[in-house]
Amino acid sequence: DGGITQSPKYLFRKEGQNVTLSCEQNLNHDAMYWYRQDPGQGLRLIYYSQIVNDFQKGDIAEGYSVSREKKESFPLTVTSAQKNPTAFYLCASSIERGYTFGSGTRLTVV
Amino acid sequence: AQSVTQLDSQVPVFEEAPVELRCNYSSSVSVYLFWYVQYPNQGLQLLLKYLSGSTLVKGINGFEAEFNKSQTSFHLRKPSVHISDTAEYFCAVSARGAQKLVFGQGTRLTINP
Repeated sequence: DGGITQSPKYLFRKEGQNVTLSCEQNLNHDAMYWYRQDPGQGLRLIYYSQIVNDFQKGDIAEGYSVSREKKESFPLTVTSAQKNPTAFYLCASSIERGYTFGSGTRLTVV
Repeated sequence: AQSVTQLDSQVPVFEEAPVELRCNYSSSVSVYLFWYVQYPNQGLQLLLKYLSGSTLVKGINGFEAEFNKSQTSFHLRKPSVHISDTAEYFCAVSARGAQKLVFGQGTRLTINP
């Protein structure tokens, strides 16, 4: 079955460390997205990519970085510059107006 | 730019009662509209979407929504809720000509027996 795989499901990081969240899709979708979810704030867009080797900042890109070297993969790196990284991170992909979401990664800074 | 306001952060209802979750949006261009449901620690599942045509949209699990362009609203309704409808619901919009989704803050629906 086609879908989006996010790994790991739970991730713990020490303050000051970078960490990379994985997102892989086998849907042949061109566009991919990263959202951050905090209680009471909905989902906020971090980065998105409409095509391989191209990506754009979303509303809250500071402290994050991405790459899009392959159509199937859109990893997100949470850097030490992100002041409050503890959150639930969702990856999505889309073609036309059909969006598919992964099951998320919960990142906790300890 | 687009924005979405979900007017209620929490909605408690009794089982088998009707429910309406309210969503208003703001946009200077035409939009597509979506409702998603999220169960704890999971991703988002599409309930329904409005792309064009009839303003009354029917979705999964007995939900429906009506697009009202003059009031810039897209309220979600269900005539009779079940315990299994307990979840968080998100309204989202994307502008025509753009792909990214902009989400509201979410409404937590709690069903009491």
